[in-house]
Amino acid sequence: DAMVIQNPRYQVTQFGKPVTLSCSQTLNHNVMYWYQQKSSQAPKLLFHYYDKDFNNEADTPDNFQSRRPNTSFCFLDIRSPGLGDAAMYLCATRGTSGSNEQFFGPGTRLTVL
Amino acid sequence: AQSVTQLDSHVSVSEGTPVLLRCNYSSSYSPSLFWYVQHPNKGLQLLLKYTSAATLVKGINGFEAEFKKSETSFHLTKPSAHMSDAAEYFCVVMRGSARQLTFGSGTQLTVLP
Repeated sequence: DAMVIQNPRYQVTQFGKPVTLSCSQTLNHNVMYWYQQKSSQAPKLLFHYYDKDFNNEADTPDNFQSRRPNTSFCFLDIRSPGLGDAAMYLCATRGTSGSNEQFFGPGTRLTVL
Repeated sequence: AQSVTQLDSHVSVSEGTPVLLRCNYSSSYSPSLFWYVQHPNKGLQLLLKYTSAATLVKGINGFEAEFKKSETSFHLTKPSAHMSDAAEYFCVVMRGSARQLTFGSGTQLTVLP
């Protein structure tokens, strides 16, 4: 089945130690999004890629970076995780023809020790 | 700016009774609105969407929502709650050229036996 895959599902890192979260998709969608969802809060958009064009939300901290080496993969890099970065990170994709629906992956839960 | 407000952070109903989750939107033009559901430790799933076609939108699992421009509302309803409906529900508005999603604060639905 076509889907959005996030690895790992659970990630533990130490304060200040860089960490990379991975998202892949088999939907061949042009657009990929990264959201941060803190405990008991709504998902908040960090940035998105439209093909290779990177678009940062205005209030996304510089500590968060992203890479999209090809259509299928997108990475979220947190350069120096702080305790406040502990959250669920959700990846989503969207095609640019037809439906505007975003398809979400299961998320990666990041713990910062 | 486009935004949504979910009027209840928690709703509790008995199994077999109707469900009403309230959402108001703010938009300078006709918005695209969605309801997503999130079960514990699972990804977000689209329940239904409004994109300026029919004002009464039917979704999965017996849910439906009615777009009311005069009231700027998009409330989610279900005639009879099931235990499996217990989850977090998000009202969402789409914005921007890249169809970014802005989530409401969420409503936690509890279904009592």
